[in-house]
Amino acid sequence: DAKTTQPPSMDCAEGRAANLPCNHSTISGNEYVYWYRQIHSQGPQYIIHGLKNNETNEMASLIITEDRKSSTLILPHATLRDTAVYYCIVLRTASKLTFGTGTRLQVTL
Amino acid sequence: DGGITQSPKYLFRKEGQNVTLSCEQNLNHDAMYWYRQDPGQGLRLIYYSQIVNDFQKGDIAEGYSVSREKKESFPLTVTSAQKNPTAFYLCASSINRGVTEAFFGQGTRLTVV
Repeated sequence: DAKTTQPPSMDCAEGRAANLPCNHSTISGNEYVYWYRQIHSQGPQYIIHGLKNNETNEMASLIITEDRKSSTLILPHATLRDTAVYYCIVLRTASKLTFGTGTRLQVTL
Repeated sequence: DGGITQSPKYLFRKEGQNVTLSCEQNLNHDAMYWYRQDPGQGLRLIYYSQIVNDFQKGDIAEGYSVSREKKESFPLTVTSAQKNPTAFYLCASSINRGVTEAFFGQGTRLTVV
């Protein structure tokens, strides 16, 4: 599975959009981009995934570049409850799920 | 309710004792995973199982053992061979085909004294 690179930490003001980048330059054609987040001392929570097209659900939007070498998770109106570690993962169907160190997002007043 | 349950939430053991962490799911998922998380660190994969009666080592399997005798259960034993067992342990499950999300339990915090 392709490796991912994320910034270790980011800050965002409450009410503003949080844009979390992820680099996955070695991604293969059959690998999906997944995003999870982990609020302190809880189990990670699935947010969204995509293959080629941009995706949106009730939690977030996922923007994948045309060459698929990077993506951005967008939380359109961040709240204090969005403070968490966000993990970008690339994997094929039914392969093992491994996590990197993620981006620690701090939402502030 | 459907979900994945880990028990207990907190566990204390004396050094040198084996301890088994429970993970049960009623989601009818084929795949199950065990992760370890140390303070301020990411999740590291210990073992995973993609089908009943089969499991594979993850990145840090030494000092741990698992079994997968039933689809809904994937217990993890932390043996006395594990040098630093104190950590937060997370179990997850997912379907094993197609594009899927993983569901996580709330974790067991193991402290060895």
